[in-house]
Amino acid sequence: DGGITQSPKYLFRKEGQNVTLSCEQNLNHDAMYWYRQDPGQGLRLIYYSQIVNDFQKGDIAEGYSVSREKKESFPLTVTSAQKNPTAFYLCASSPTGANYGYTFGSGTRLTVV
Amino acid sequence: GESVGLHLPTLSVQEGDNSIINCAYSNSASDYFIWYKQESGKGPQFIIDIRSNMDKRQGQRVTVLLNKTVKHLSLQIAATQPGDSAVYFCAETYAGNNRKLIWGLGTSLAVNP
Repeated sequence: DGGITQSPKYLFRKEGQNVTLSCEQNLNHDAMYWYRQDPGQGLRLIYYSQIVNDFQKGDIAEGYSVSREKKESFPLTVTSAQKNPTAFYLCASSPTGANYGYTFGSGTRLTVV
Repeated sequence: GESVGLHLPTLSVQEGDNSIINCAYSNSASDYFIWYKQESGKGPQFIIDIRSNMDKRQGQRVTVLLNKTVKHLSLQIAATQPGDSAVYFCAETYAGNNRKLIWGLGTSLAVNP
């Protein structure tokens, strides 16, 4: 079955460490997105990519980095520069062009300990 | 029952009643709208979409209404069930922003048995 897979489901990070969240899709979608969700809040866009080897900052990119070396993969690194990284991180993908919704992964809950 | 979106309010309904979740979207240029359902600890799931050339679209137990004059979108759920308990997000998009989705803050629906 086609889908989008995020791993790990839970991640614990010590202060000062970088961590990388994985996102893989086999839907042949061109566009991929990373969102952050805090408790009781909506979705805030961190980074997005509409094609391989290209990506753009979203609304809250500071302290995060991404790469898009393969169409299927869009990993997100939470760096030590992100001052409040504890959150639920969601990856999504979509076809580009006309009107399409996003397909979401099941999320990664990151906690700083 | 009814609620207004963009502030994450809580709508509480009795099982079997109809639910109406409202959303005031932001951009008059938006031409495609989607409703998502997010259960606790999971990624959002697509429920139903509507294009701006329509004012009503029906799915299984759900109906979306679009009023472009007042920039208002609503999701009606018929015969609400306990499994409908979740946070519901509206999203809008238009051609000028690379088709990125603009998200409402969500409405929490609680179904009482």
